[in-house]
Amino acid sequence: QKEVEQNSGPLSVPEGAIASLNCTYSDRGSQSFFWYRQYSGKSPELIMFIYSNGDKEDGRFTAQLNKASQYVSLLIRDSQPSDSATYLCAVGYTGGGNKLTFGTGTQLKVEL
Amino acid sequence: ETGVTQTPRHLVMGMTNKKSLKCEQHLGHNAMYWYKQSAKKPLELMFVYNFKEQTENNSVPSRFSPECPNSSHLFLHLHTLQPEDSALYLCASSQEGSGDYEQYFGPGTRLTVT
Repeated sequence: QKEVEQNSGPLSVPEGAIASLNCTYSDRGSQSFFWYRQYSGKSPELIMFIYSNGDKEDGRFTAQLNKASQYVSLLIRDSQPSDSATYLCAVGYTGGGNKLTFGTGTQLKVEL
Repeated sequence: ETGVTQTPRHLVMGMTNKKSLKCEQHLGHNAMYWYKQSAKKPLELMFVYNFKEQTENNSVPSRFSPECPNSSHLFLHLHTLQPEDSALYLCASSQEGSGDYEQYFGPGTRLTVT
């Protein structure tokens, strides 16, 4: 059973701070990693993906992947109230084709 | 329209009704998916279609019946549902075989079974 684990939160950070969201996965054959943002009552929106070890930056977002430790993280710099949402981690694995396994998500609250 | 669209956005149905959910993708993708999202649970993959062929049926009860007439359209036919089937049903699409694995979601259909 392939599993993706996330702390459900809520994670509260003050406006302007760095929010750090973490995700661990069980299958060492995993090859693709995604972060989706989901506002309440809305569908998931893809914000970052990463396939190789290391960091990948896109604007205020940085995805970090460490395959040896089987974790992937998302850093949000200069957090804004509009970043308040649930962040879903999703993992694709070798031989799984285009199937993704999702975590339950971490709720982020950015406070004024 | 762009992206992935779904209709209806909200649906209330009785346990004896028959209804269908529709999904259309305008991204030129060749793979489409149905997911179920219930409160406090991870997204559950229900069905996968690659090039119109069903490649995954994730132990979904037969009261859910998918149909993919072409690579742009996906349906989910519903009949004799149970109250526990109430959830957000999400359609997604991706480009299989390109080396990219990103899936893009539609807005979802909020289903309530009474």
